[in-house]
Amino acid sequence: AQSVTQLDSQVPVFEEAPVELRCNYSSSVSVYLFWYVQYPNQGLQLLLKYLSGSTLVKGINGFEAEFNKSQTSFHLRKPSVHISDTAEYFCAVSSKAAGNKLTFGGGTRVLVKP
Amino acid sequence: GAGVSQSPRYKVAKRGQDVALRCDPISGHVSLFWYQQALGQGPEFLTYFQNEAQLDKSGLPSDRFFAERPEGSVSTLKIQRTQQEDSAVYLCASSNRANTGELFFGEGSRLTVL
Repeated sequence: AQSVTQLDSQVPVFEEAPVELRCNYSSSVSVYLFWYVQYPNQGLQLLLKYLSGSTLVKGINGFEAEFNKSQTSFHLRKPSVHISDTAEYFCAVSSKAAGNKLTFGGGTRVLVKP
Repeated sequence: GAGVSQSPRYKVAKRGQDVALRCDPISGHVSLFWYQQALGQGPEFLTYFQNEAQLDKSGLPSDRFFAERPEGSVSTLKIQRTQQEDSAVYLCASSNRANTGELFFGEGSRLTVL
């Protein structure tokens, strides 16, 4: 079985400061990893994905994440946040063994303060 | 259409009523997923279609939940005899690359059972 743990339920951060959202996963097979963002009253939007290849992946809106197989982590980072980055962020994992179903973490709510 | 469309966006039901939630996926996407998102939590997998075939319904919480996609396009999630614990946002997602878990989500249908 696969699972995802997002260690921080809420992260307050000041505008223009950096932010890191932590994600750890559990799976016994090769995985695909994703970060999705959910703005209030909206659906989930894909920020970035790791399928294979380079472990550092870049996504939309200046976000990036690094796949670390030995630590089973896929932390999300942004060097300088904007007010508009206030949202909920979900890490997710899928694998062929799990029928390519996405399993989500519990989410991290980012609140950017002016 | 341009994106995944779900209706109704909001539904209030009295306990015991039946409800039907509709999902119109992105044109040409063969894979369709339903997820349930309780307040403050990450989405939980309910069921998966490839064209009209329901390949996985392991996440449906009880036999009161039923999903169909008769013509391989629009899908309906039906909940019979709703209970308060069914209150959640129901997210639909579609994909043409479901073998990697890359999904495009609708805005969701928020169900409140009184």
